[in-house]
Amino acid sequence: DADVTQTPRNRITKTGKRIMLECSQTKGHDRMYWYRQDPGLGLRLIYYSFDVKDINKGEISDGYSVSRQAQAKFSLSLESAIPNQTALYFCATSDLRWREGPTDTQYFGPGTRLTVL
Amino acid sequence: GIQVEQSPPDLILQEGANSTLRCNFSDSVNNLQWFHQNPWGQLINLFYIPSGTKQNGRLSATTVATERYSLLYISSSQTTDSGVYFCAVERGLTGGGNKLTFGTGTQLKVEL
Repeated sequence: DADVTQTPRNRITKTGKRIMLECSQTKGHDRMYWYRQDPGLGLRLIYYSFDVKDINKGEISDGYSVSRQAQAKFSLSLESAIPNQTALYFCATSDLRWREGPTDTQYFGPGTRLTVL
Repeated sequence: GIQVEQSPPDLILQEGANSTLRCNFSDSVNNLQWFHQNPWGQLINLFYIPSGTKQNGRLSATTVATERYSLLYISSSQTTDSGVYFCAVERGLTGGGNKLTFGTGTQLKVEL
């Protein structure tokens, strides 16, 4: 399923470099998210966006910025990469539904493996 | 914030064996998802299960929201079941929608 795509899939960079990770989706969802996964841990939320004009910080936003260029595109930037930002980064999308309350099913991209030397 | 604990952290099975993975959470949630992360890092949604029981082939899941736990059953395990299994609970976000909080996962290895 290529509804959520991420580029690049792998990136090795050096400390201090600016890096941009891109996410595109064809699901037509309004909501997009960026997560990071560290070895042996679950995913943690970096930023989320409910529409093009709505950007919100997640639990670990320091050192990151985002841009929602269009409904289908959400990019994550590391302005000055540092080694502890080495991680697997996931983009996700969702669409609000109502069952017994507000709920989203999030669909994940394939991930970007980033290494900062 | 909400705590999500999974057990066991690691599990090794012989092919054909059955297993049960558990997810406990510390507060009420809007919903719960189970994911499988394969050895290549890809995350696959297995179940979206706020309550009750669902089955999909050899996998089934049960969530008892009032007691704050969920179980994932794997029957007749296969080597392709190997990977990490995450549960993630949904809680409300400022401005609407839900945030997913992930557990630390169960690393499963199925051997021949």
